[in-house]
Amino acid sequence: EVQLVESGGGLVKPGGSLRLSCAASGFTFSSYSMNWVRQAPGKGLEWVSSISSSSSYIYYADSVKGRFTISRDNAKNSLYLQMNSLRAEDTAVYYCARDKVGATTDWGQGTLVTVSS
Amino acid sequence: QPVLTQPPSSSASPGESARLTCTLPSDINVGSYNIYWYQQKPGSPPRYLLYYYSDSDKGQGSGVPSRFSGSKDASANTGILLISGLQSEDEADYYCMIWPSNALGVFGGGTKLTVL
Repeated sequence: EVQLVESGGGLVKPGGSLRLSCAASGFTFSSYSMNWVRQAPGKGLEWVSSISSSSSYIYYADSVKGRFTISRDNAKNSLYLQMNSLRAEDTAVYYCARDKVGATTDWGQGTLVTVSS
Repeated sequence: QPVLTQPPSSSASPGESARLTCTLPSDINVGSYNIYWYQQKPGSPPRYLLYYYSDSDKGQGSGVPSRFSGSKDASANTGILLISGLQSEDEADYYCMIWPSNALGVFGGGTKLTVL
């Protein structure tokens, strides 16, 4: 069974930093691209970032480019999102998700990031 | 980033069909892209439903009933999710998504489906 478990969310002040982690199991992690998708409270889904299986290709939404960094450790079956210079508008539930040829087929339960003074 | 337009809400009665639309901007041809559809119920992560490119190139998510199907209306530059034989459990938010040529993912704003 595919499992994706996010951690690292919490309350942080504007301008602060946070690192999200996603532990993957139940599939060959190193074979799949991975995504981060977020959802602000009461709002819709927003794609944040993608990383290919070998980290060769990395993409970011314009809203986070230059502030967030996606990475992965295939030996540890883990995905990461380093978030710097956080803003109030970054407040959201952040989902880790597996990509299968464009389809985001499996999602974690999400971790809540709140940016507030 | 392109904007995918979805009606904020839709409603239908049990047993009827619901047709949810996702309109692409005029500079993006719906015929050139896979349209992905997701379902989200309150308090839960999204669930992948299906993708649709053409009648010969489409795919259903694991365990997704065949009541859920996709199509396109090229004249309206729109992707469509059709849910037939509506059930109360289909009440949820539905999101479309595409991967434009710049590889930056884009979701629609979502449609809240109410089963009356």
